[in-house]
Amino acid sequence: QKEVEQDPGPLSVPEGAIVSLNCTYSNSAFQYFMWYRQYSRKGPELLMYTYSSGNKEDGRFTAQVDKSSKYISLFIRDSQPSDSATYLCAMSYGDGNKLVFGAGTILRVKS
Amino acid sequence: EAQVTQNPRYLITVTGKKLTVTCSQNMNHEYMSWYRQDPGLGLRQIYYSMNVEVTDKGDVPEGYKVSRKEKRNFPLILESPSPNQTSLYFCASSSLVMGDSTDTQYFGPGTRLTVL
Repeated sequence: QKEVEQDPGPLSVPEGAIVSLNCTYSNSAFQYFMWYRQYSRKGPELLMYTYSSGNKEDGRFTAQVDKSSKYISLFIRDSQPSDSATYLCAMSYGDGNKLVFGAGTILRVKS
Repeated sequence: EAQVTQNPRYLITVTGKKLTVTCSQNMNHEYMSWYRQDPGLGLRQIYYSMNVEVTDKGDVPEGYKVSRKEKRNFPLILESPSPNQTSLYFCASSSLVMGDSTDTQYFGPGTRLTVL
């Protein structure tokens, strides 16, 4: 069983929709939770970074962590075609520790 | 401009021919790492370094070497490449303490390696 599970998609939504992307994990020692966006032929770009449980909002993006359920989510409001990319979740035990990535979810936002 | 650079961006080589992929960052970051990305497997860490002369294995270190002689550079060395090392490679750098900011971690543009 992988430490981090993520549905690869693809997830296809119309422009303006609310997108929900999710990951589950098995190791309760993870403390830091991250979401990355990766455009085709580019390196991953850190989007959201959360420590421990709770919500964090940044513009159209909201990251949610539920440590009791070992479940994290990224919500994208008012999705745009420019949001079409692969979204990767990642987790770590602490600062300076290695990241464990999910396989990534392909998102397509259609205009 | 903060950036991580990798060279070459594309490389086709043959089994057994030693190669080096360079990685350089201009942010004075302590932490640097190498990942490989394969379809369905996501990013897997090969090696990481928490500072000059300090390196350690990640999840998939077999067949790779690294060195960290200067803070800004972290080359990945394949002494005897094999076809199962055909992959997309990313270098990343970050501050050791990420704090609450997304401005502290960057990935390079990737190196697509094919080993025939």
